Amino acid sequence: SQTIHQWPATLVQPVGSPLSLECTVEGTSNPNLYWYRQAAGRGLQLLFYSVGIGQISSEVPQNLSASRPQDRQFILSSKKLLLSDSGFYLCAWRGPNYGYTFGSGTRLTVV
Amino acid sequence: GNSVTQMEGPVTLSEEAFLTINCTYTATGYPSLFWYVQYPGEGLQLLLKATKADDKGSNKGFEATYRKETTSFHLEKGSVQVSDSAVYFCALFYNQGGKLIFGQGTELSVKP
Repeated sequence: SQTIHQWPATLVQPVGSPLSLECTVEGTSNPNLYWYRQAAGRGLQLLFYSVGIGQISSEVPQNLSASRPQDRQFILSSKKLLLSDSGFYLCAWRGPNYGYTFGSGTRLTVV
Repeated sequence: GNSVTQMEGPVTLSEEAFLTINCTYTATGYPSLFWYVQYPGEGLQLLLKATKADDKGSNKGFEATYRKETTSFHLEKGSVQVSDSAVYFCALFYNQGGKLIFGQGTELSVKP
């Protein structure tokens, strides 16, 4: 069966520090992968999606970047975090029949 | 563009009350529609879906019917429980865009 792993679960980082969040998928090949952010009290915003290795589409201009170095690995990064980067980050994989499976999320607090 | 609008929360109900969370969408073509649920501190789980007009998705006592004439996908449950307290997200998937677009979420709080 397909599973999606996301880590770390929680992270507290100072302003200006770098960020790396990792997401991996098991049990499938060439998945469509997505990074979403949920800011406090707000809905889900699509940040990046990837349809294959090295293919990244950015939805909104921001302080973040994404990379897909391997077929089942999707990484969200920042060189210098801002306070506004705080939020709940969710990785997702699109399965058959357009159903999405989400990771358990990373709660990032920038201080 | 494609978008999803949900009723604002929080919605507070007593146990065994009837639940409706409104969701309307704007899309060209024929999107698939979804409801996701997010329990406190967790990620999102698919609750139900409908892929074409007049389809009814159902799961765990929740139901939603894909109404193309009113561009709606309202979530209903006849008798809510305390354990249903969560944030509910309506979403659409538009194949040409290849993306899942979410509404802003509606927080539901069920009191015993």
